[in-house]
Parts: sequence; C-alpha cells; structure tokens
Amino acid sequence: KAGVTQTPRYLIKTRGQQVTLSCSPISGHRSVSWYQQTPGQGLQFLFEYFSETQRNKGNFPGRFSGRQFSNSRSEMNVSTLELGDSALYLCASRYERGLAGVDEQFFGPGTRLTVL
Amino acid sequence: ILNVEQSPQSLHVQEGDSTNFTCSFPSSNFYALHWYRWETAKSPEALFVMTLNGDEKKKGRISATLNTKEGYSYLYIKGSQPEDSATYLCAQNTGFQKLVFGTGTRLLVSP
Repeated sequence: KAGVTQTPRYLIKTRGQQVTLSCSPISGHRSVSWYQQTPGQGLQFLFEYFSETQRNKGNFPGRFSGRQFSNSRSEMNVSTLELGDSALYLCASRYERGLAGVDEQFFGPGTRLTVL
Repeated sequence: ILNVEQSPQSLHVQEGDSTNFTCSFPSSNFYALHWYRWETAKSPEALFVMTLNGDEKKKGRISATLNTKEGYSYLYIKGSQPEDSATYLCAQNTGFQKLVFGTGTRLLVSP
C-alpha cells in the first residue's frame, strides 16, 4: 500500500506570495491532518479534514486554510506569506475506525517551505 | 491549554546501553497517547498508541508504559543500536481529532 505523499517536497517563495501544498492520503483513509514544524517547536496542529469537512482547527491565523476533495486528497493554502511561515509542513492520514484519537496517524515526508 | 513535555531534550548513549525517556501530559481529558520515532529526512513513524492506565506495549527492543492518573508515559529502549538514533515524539489526543505534540527527545547512539 502506498504511503502518504506530499507535493512539492521543497518550495521557495517570497513574502506576500501565496502557496498551495498538496497531500494524498493512504488509500481508504478519510481523515487528513496538517501540522507545522518550525525550529525549536514541536509539531503544531493546523487543521483536520474528514469527508471534505474541516472538523478541527488549531491556533493559526486565517491566512492558513485548507480543503479536502471527494477522493480524500487535501490541500492547504497560505496567503500573504510571512518570513515566520518558513517551516516543514507535514500531513498525516488516518483510517478512522470510530474511536478518534486511538488510530495511528501515518505521516507524509513533508513539504519544506522557505519564505524569503 | 494542553502542555505536553518531554525529557530529556537530547541523549547520547553508547551502543548496547539501555535508555528511557519521559513524556508528561495533563491527566484531565485524556483520550490517547501516541509515540512516534522520527529519523532525519524521513516521515515520523508511529510506534505505539496507548489508551488505558497501566498499558504496556512492546515492539522489539522498544517498550512503553502509561500512567494516565499522574500524567506520564515512559519509553524504554533496551540494548540501543545506532539505527535507533532518531527523535522520539509523544503526542496526546484529547478526543478532538488533533494531536498535541511534545518537542521530542533526540537520541544519538554511538557505535
């Protein structure tokens, strides 16, 4: 079974631009979560989608948004990029068996975003 | 606000040493605790998902215990090998479909 894939793997943008990152979950997984990691910080939860609906959102400004498609693929978008948005963005998928939080999350390799 | 803490921040041991790390978390609203291993340039890999007080789980030379009443979990590695070098993360889930991660323990095992 193919793992979680993320594209692109590396991205360089300038301040003020916007960026879209893509995540394809493991086949059959309907839950996709996004996380941000910056130097010195743990993984910070951005949001989670399930069946095309955002179920939960972390403490990030409205410049961070996402969506999920009917095939469970997900995108996250960051508008008006700031230097502090430079980070590794990870997505994770999960096969939800009905007890949320108990299932393993399977992570992708991440997208490294650099904002200049 | 959840605060998951891990100690130590980093650890350097010799091949063959046994070692352990601690994950502390708020004991209220506990739902599950996850352990991950994250090797450089790879994806975080799930090790254990633990839900019940007193849970003990084992995978090869790695094991973990859970105390939900006092809010801590221990991860043990027996006979460390250089391939165990990685960052070990714990994360708490309070049932709202999100994981709150600690900052990790970075383990380096020298041959």
